[in-house]
Amino acid sequence: EIVMTQSPATLSVSPGEAATLSCRASQSVGSNLAWYQQTPGQAPRLLIYGASTRATGTPARFTGSGSETEFTLSISSLQSEDFAVYFCQHYNYLPPFTFGPGTKVDIK
Amino acid sequence: EVQLEQSGAEVKKPGESLKISCKASGYSFTTHWIGWVRQVPGKGLEWLGFIYPADSDTRYRPSFQGQVTMSVDKSITTAYLRWNSLKASDTAIYYCARVSGSWFSLPFDHWGQGTLVTVSS
Repeated sequence: EIVMTQSPATLSVSPGEAATLSCRASQSVGSNLAWYQQTPGQAPRLLIYGASTRATGTPARFTGSGSETEFTLSISSLQSEDFAVYFCQHYNYLPPFTFGPGTKVDIK
Repeated sequence: EVQLEQSGAEVKKPGESLKISCKASGYSFTTHWIGWVRQVPGKGLEWLGFIYPADSDTRYRPSFQGQVTMSVDKSITTAYLRWNSLKASDTAIYYCARVSGSWFSLPFDHWGQGTLVTVSS
């Protein structure tokens, strides 16, 4: 089973500032990596897939990058609706398709 | 519009059985895998497994094999997650989610609203 880790656990950012979230896989997952956003009381929402492709409706301020074992989600200028928990997930060929523990982005 | 509508919250006692549902609409039910994800409130997401509605091909996470059973009823485009004997540790929110294509090695592009299962004596 591939283990996904994320850092930091919590990121405190002021509105309008940029944020960078990291995700690491215990072995290569190629570009088979997705990012999800979860706001309180809501189901997760797909933001990025294929490591760098924005899902339908994902604003351009969200950018995914990376491959193999190291991935990054960048948010260029945080809006109020971006304060949430972000999870990465691999879906590389063989299940289980594990999630990272999440990074909470909160208001500084 | 793709929608996944899950059944309502449940409160059960340890040892009881339970089946929760996920009604799909707005797309061809048999051509997309449906997955199940568990979340203890305030915690992370755990991938349980998924099922292919066309032929009920099922893949479980090893740690959940034998603990839950996934099934579908194609006639009513509904997926199910069943427990035969609940434990307190099964207390969590359970989400169903649609895989974005007909191959399972793809992300979840639509999610249900979640079903809270509480197991307490």
